[in-house]
Amino acid sequence: EAGVTQFPSHSVIEKGQTVTLRCDPISGHDNLYWYRRVMGKEIKFLLHFVKESKQDESGMPNNRFLAERTGGTYSTLKVQPAELEDSGVYFCASSQGSGIHYEQYFGPGTRLTVT
Amino acid sequence: LAKTTQPISMDSYEGQEVNITCSHNNIATNDYITWYQQFPSQGPRFIIQGYKTKVTNEVASLFIPADRKSSTLSLPRVSLSDTAVYYCLVGDYRAGNNRKLIWGLGTSLAVNP
Repeated sequence: EAGVTQFPSHSVIEKGQTVTLRCDPISGHDNLYWYRRVMGKEIKFLLHFVKESKQDESGMPNNRFLAERTGGTYSTLKVQPAELEDSGVYFCASSQGSGIHYEQYFGPGTRLTVT
Repeated sequence: LAKTTQPISMDSYEGQEVNITCSHNNIATNDYITWYQQFPSQGPRFIIQGYKTKVTNEVASLFIPADRKSSTLSLPRVSLSDTAVYYCLVGDYRAGNNRKLIWGLGTSLAVNP
C-alpha cells in the first residue's frame, strides 16, 4: 500500500510569489491534516479535512494560506503571496478514521524556502 | 490541551536500552499519550500509544505511572538506525473528528557505535 505522498519535496520561491503544495493521502483515508514546522520550532497543526470538508482550520496562520480538497482525495495548500516567515517544512498526514485507534500517517514533507 | 516537556537530546550506544521520559503534569482524564518517531527528511511515524500502566509492541514499551503525569518510552537494545527525534504528545482523541496533534520540540536521540 502506498503511503502519503507530497509534492514537491523542495520549493524555493521569492517573497511575493505563489506556491502550491500537494498531498496525496493513503487511498481510502477520509481524514487529511496539514502541519508545518518552522525552523527551530515545534510542528504546528494547520488544518483538518474530513473528506472534502474543512473540519478544523484553526491553525491556518492567515488568509494568505488556502487549502482545498476537492472530491475528498488529494489536497492542495496554496500560499499567496509568500512571505519570508512562511519558510519551513509542510507535512501532510492522513488517517482512516478519527477515533482513538486510528493513527495518522505522515508524508515526507515539502521543504519551502522563501527568499 | 496538555503541554509536554521532554529532554532536548540524549546520547546512547548500540545495544543499550534507552528510556525517554516525558512530563505532562496537566494531563486530563480523557487524554491519551502517544509517541512518534521522526528520521531526518521524513515525516513523523507513530510508535506507541497508551492511557495507563504499560503498553508494549514490537518496537517499544510505554510506561505510565498511576498519576499519569509522566510517561517513559523505552527502546530496548537500540541500534544506529534508532537515531531520530522522538515526540511525546498528549491529547483527547475522542473529541469528535478533531484529532489535531499538539507537538513539542521532541527529544533528539543519537545512538553511537
